[in-house]
Amino acid sequence: DVKVTQSSRYLVKRTGEKVFLECVQDMDHENMFWYRQDPGLGLRLIYFSYDVKMKEKGDIPEGYSVSREKKERFSLILESASTNQTSMYLCASLAGTSYEQYFGPGTRLTVT
Amino acid sequence: AQSVTQPDIHITVSEGASLELRCNYSYGATPYLFWYVQSPGQGLQLLLKYFSGDTLVQGIKGFEAEFKRSQSSFNLRKPSVHWSDAAEYFCAVGPATGGGNKLTFGTGTQLKVEL
Repeated sequence: DVKVTQSSRYLVKRTGEKVFLECVQDMDHENMFWYRQDPGLGLRLIYFSYDVKMKEKGDIPEGYSVSREKKERFSLILESASTNQTSMYLCASLAGTSYEQYFGPGTRLTVT
Repeated sequence: AQSVTQPDIHITVSEGASLELRCNYSYGATPYLFWYVQSPGQGLQLLLKYFSGDTLVQGIKGFEAEFKRSQSSFNLRKPSVHWSDAAEYFCAVGPATGGGNKLTFGTGTQLKVEL
């Protein structure tokens, strides 16, 4: 069974902290994505990666960075968390060229 | 640039009633189209997809969608809604050729089912 896991379901951090969100997929997919989900705004793409050590900016990359050292793992990094980064973060993995993205359960991050 | 519009933010239907969720897209080329569902506290699950061929596509959980090129629409339908269908529904569009593998999502429609 296809599986995308995220390290935490809920996370509370303080302003200015460095935050790591981890995503792991077990499907040997080349492509992985990080989205941010906010009410009324839908899903917005932060970064995506199409191979190990490769990354591309999405629509809202400001304030975020990513790391992909191994094919199965894609990390989202908030270098200095701010309250406007309080949100639900969703990771996804892509099945080949079918465009069928598989999503993890999400991490709800609160920055206080 | 591509965009997806889901004009209904909230929809309430009675259990057993039919459902139609609207989706309109703007795209410069032939698109791939998707509907995803997100149950409370969960990630997104793919309901159905359209790549080519028959414009009426069947998905999981009894859902179907019809691609209408002339109207740039891809509306989701279900003949009889169950209480467990209460969730948020997202329409998404991606490039059939080029453009990488990125999807553009609509803002979602929250479905409430009255018993």
